Amino acid sequence: GQQLNQSPQSMFIQEGEDVSMNCTSSSIFNTWLWYKQDPGEGPVLLIALYKAGELTSNGRLTAQFGITRKDSFLNISASIPSDVGIYFCAGQGRGANSKLTFGKGITLSVRP
Amino acid sequence: GAVVSQHPSWVICKSGTSVKIECRSLDFQATTMFWYRQFPKQSLMLMATSNEGSKATYEQGVEKDKFLINHASLTLSTLTVTSAHPEDSSFYICSARNSGTRNQPQHFGDGTRLSIL
Repeated sequence: GQQLNQSPQSMFIQEGEDVSMNCTSSSIFNTWLWYKQDPGEGPVLLIALYKAGELTSNGRLTAQFGITRKDSFLNISASIPSDVGIYFCAGQGRGANSKLTFGKGITLSVRP
Repeated sequence: GAVVSQHPSWVICKSGTSVKIECRSLDFQATTMFWYRQFPKQSLMLMATSNEGSKATYEQGVEKDKFLINHASLTLSTLTVTSAHPEDSSFYICSARNSGTRNQPQHFGDGTRLSIL
């Protein structure tokens, strides 16, 4: 099935640095979501975006819903060691109960 | 906030055993829940959509007789892996959203690690 494009597969940054992750699709989505998954746990919602062009922040995290509705980015500012994990983007089509399409995820490592 | 509880978190059992996994929405009602399977270092793979009061919708390639889904109430969906074999060993995760409110995202349970010996 379709999968969103997330790359690179891994990112390595220094504590305190900012990092940006992008997610693209060949299809339009009505909702974009960003999740973080720690080992052995389920994904945790970071930010949900519902409107094209929307820019939303959650603490040190900022995400935007691309104006074309085919992409989204997530920025993490002033990274800390607990930011380590796998970051997934997900798109959702029309319909509140429509299924999510996920990216492959980006594994973020933060060097102290 | 929205909480989805999954139980058990870890199961180890012998080949041929059937295993039931529960997914509960603790503080909201969910007419639809989703079941995923995740292999190491991979993304989540949707197995089926669980619909309250009706049959589940399975993704292509997922055997409905192997993975039985029941969504008998607005807060509980169960996934039963019937006659489990080692190849069924995986991380199973459910998700749900508050169906009573607009623009509510899906929230995930903590997952169930299934190991079949």
